[in-house]
Amino acid sequence: DAGVTQSPTHLIKTRGQQVTLRCSPKSGHDTVSWYQQALGQGPQFIFQYYEEEERQRGNFPDRFSGHQFPNYSSELNVNALLLGDSALYLCASSLEARSYNEQFFGPGTRLTVL
Amino acid sequence: AQSVAQPEDQVNVAEGNPLTVKCTYSVSGNPYLFWYVQYPNRGLQFLLKYITGDNLVKGSYGFEAEFNKSQTSFHLKKPSALVSDSALYFCAVRDRKGEYGNKLVFGAGTILRVKS
Repeated sequence: DAGVTQSPTHLIKTRGQQVTLRCSPKSGHDTVSWYQQALGQGPQFIFQYYEEEERQRGNFPDRFSGHQFPNYSSELNVNALLLGDSALYLCASSLEARSYNEQFFGPGTRLTVL
Repeated sequence: AQSVAQPEDQVNVAEGNPLTVKCTYSVSGNPYLFWYVQYPNRGLQFLLKYITGDNLVKGSYGFEAEFNKSQTSFHLKKPSALVSDSALYFCAVRDRKGEYGNKLVFGAGTILRVKS
């Protein structure tokens, strides 16, 4: 059973560019959440998608946007990249039926903005 | 607003000794609580969760955690530490009330170092 997968593994961009990160949830899961983990910090919630809609959003600017596809996979888009956007971006999936279900995390995408 | 505090940046313990990694939380209602572990260059792995019921929760790899409502704490414990337990540990909380969704709020993490 494949767990949560993310691509790419690493990415280097320059300031002002745009980036798209991709996530495939664990088999059977229908909810995808995205987190940003800066160096030395805990993950910070960006947003969550369920039934192709953004259901919850953290304190991130509109430069951060996302999408969920009918097969439950998801994309995270970041526009006008800033140096401070350099971080590990984690995707997590869960089963929405019970909201106390644990989230399963992918290995992350390491984004470096130069 | 929800918050999690992990008061120790690092915990050092000798192999075979018991370990405790501390976590306190703040939520508006009753919480769902989680512990995750992160190994270098890896995503987070789920260890255990508290939903309701017994205050002592058992999880993966011999870990357990004790929920204490009066102290708003959820400390992670293991009776006998292994060198392979060395990793970064995160406590997380979700408020079971409020808006629909299961957003997690994480602590800053605690590095556990187990020495042989």
